[in-house]
Amino acid sequence: AQTVTQSQPEMSVQEAETVTLSCTYDTSESDYYLFWYKQPPSRQMILVIRQEAYKQQNATENRFSVNFQKAAKSFSLKISDSQLGDAAMYFCAYRSPPGNTPLVFGKGTRLSVIA
Amino acid sequence: GAGVSQSPRYKVAKRGQDVALRCDPISGHVSLFWYQQALGQGPEFLTYFQNEAQLDKSGLPSDRFFAERPEGSVSTLKIQRTQQEDSAVYLCASSSGVSSSTDTQYFGPGTRLTVL
Repeated sequence: AQTVTQSQPEMSVQEAETVTLSCTYDTSESDYYLFWYKQPPSRQMILVIRQEAYKQQNATENRFSVNFQKAAKSFSLKISDSQLGDAAMYFCAYRSPPGNTPLVFGKGTRLSVIA
Repeated sequence: GAGVSQSPRYKVAKRGQDVALRCDPISGHVSLFWYQQALGQGPEFLTYFQNEAQLDKSGLPSDRFFAERPEGSVSTLKIQRTQQEDSAVYLCASSSGVSSSTDTQYFGPGTRLTVL
């Protein structure tokens, strides 16, 4: 079974600075998908960014980018120019293909943004 | 268009009561998932529907948990004889397809269940 580990229960960052959230995973599969979800206090889980394992190029979405190291099974999230609205729980998640397989989540990292 | 909605947002039950949690997926979405999120934890998979068929219920923690999606749209998660350990947020997610590996799961706001 696949597992996802987030080793940082809490992180904080100054507004406008950059922060990196860590995620490692364990799998024997060669093809899979990785995600970062954001969960604000409203509880609505929002997709931040996704990465297909067969793509070597790291995914980027505006201020959010990932560092995907397949051999090391590492998938970190970098948030640039942090904003107050970035404060939330961040969950790393793994999914096997095809599309109708469930997500496997880590325990999350609580990010605080300091004004 | 509307996203995934869930009702009620909050539910308080006395131990031993039955509860029913509703999920309205995005219109036309074939796949529907239920997850349970305990306090301070990440969501954990409960069950999966493809249209009206429940194809995977391996995550349901006991036979007190039952889910249905009779017409392939709205789904209900029912918990019988609730116990304190059932207290959690129950999240519903839907995605458009079945076999496409690019499908994204869209989540509802969840139902917070508290069992006293």
